[in-house]
Amino acid sequence: QPVLTQSSSASASLGSSVKLTCTLSSGHSSYIIAWHQQQPGKAPRYLMKLEGSGSYNKGSGVPDRFSGSSSGADRYLTISNLQFEDEADYYCETWDSNTHGGVFGGGTKVTVL
Amino acid sequence: EVQLVQSGAEVKKPGESLKISCKGSGYSFTSYWIGWVRQMPGKGLEWMGIIHPGDSDTRYSPSFQGQVTISADKSISTAYLQWSSLKASDTAMYYCARHDMYYYASGSYWYYYMDVWGKGTTVTVSS
Repeated sequence: QPVLTQSSSASASLGSSVKLTCTLSSGHSSYIIAWHQQQPGKAPRYLMKLEGSGSYNKGSGVPDRFSGSSSGADRYLTISNLQFEDEADYYCETWDSNTHGGVFGGGTKVTVL
Repeated sequence: EVQLVQSGAEVKKPGESLKISCKGSGYSFTSYWIGWVRQMPGKGLEWMGIIHPGDSDTRYSPSFQGQVTISADKSISTAYLQWSSLKASDTAMYYCARHDMYYYASGSYWYYYMDVWGKGTTVTVSS
């Protein structure tokens, strides 16, 4: 089963950019992932689906400031022009077609300074 | 508008049973898998299991197999998560989420991902 590794926290100044990383475990570097945002006290929200090629598809209403990219087993979420409303936990998720089950990373808490 | 509406907060005692619900609207309920996710206080998201409302095909995470039951009633577009005997450790927020699917041609497999989330149901188990 794939394992997704995320750093626990990240911070950046208002108006700057932050790049979050989700790393797929060995043998799963080609997997597609999804990024989700969870603002404090709210339900998660789907942001985008991201392939190993770097191609991504965003959910409805997701601002242009959010983009995705990939390199090997790493999947990135970049937030540009950081806003206070972007302060949230960000989770990556993937799917194991062998077990027909989902997997989450541990989440990254983003703080806007 | 695609929506998943979850039932309200529950407060239960250890040993009691419970069934919470997730009603879909704005889309063909029988065409998408519905999954359940646990979030314990202050912790991350945990994938519990998934059901296809069209034929009730159900899969569970090994961590939750035997601990909960996932079901669905397609006639009323509703999925359920139930416990037969709650424990204090079941105290958590529970989310349902619709799974969209994408055929990844390069890998020749279907990829499922959560594209619509419910607002969550808080379950508190305390004596």
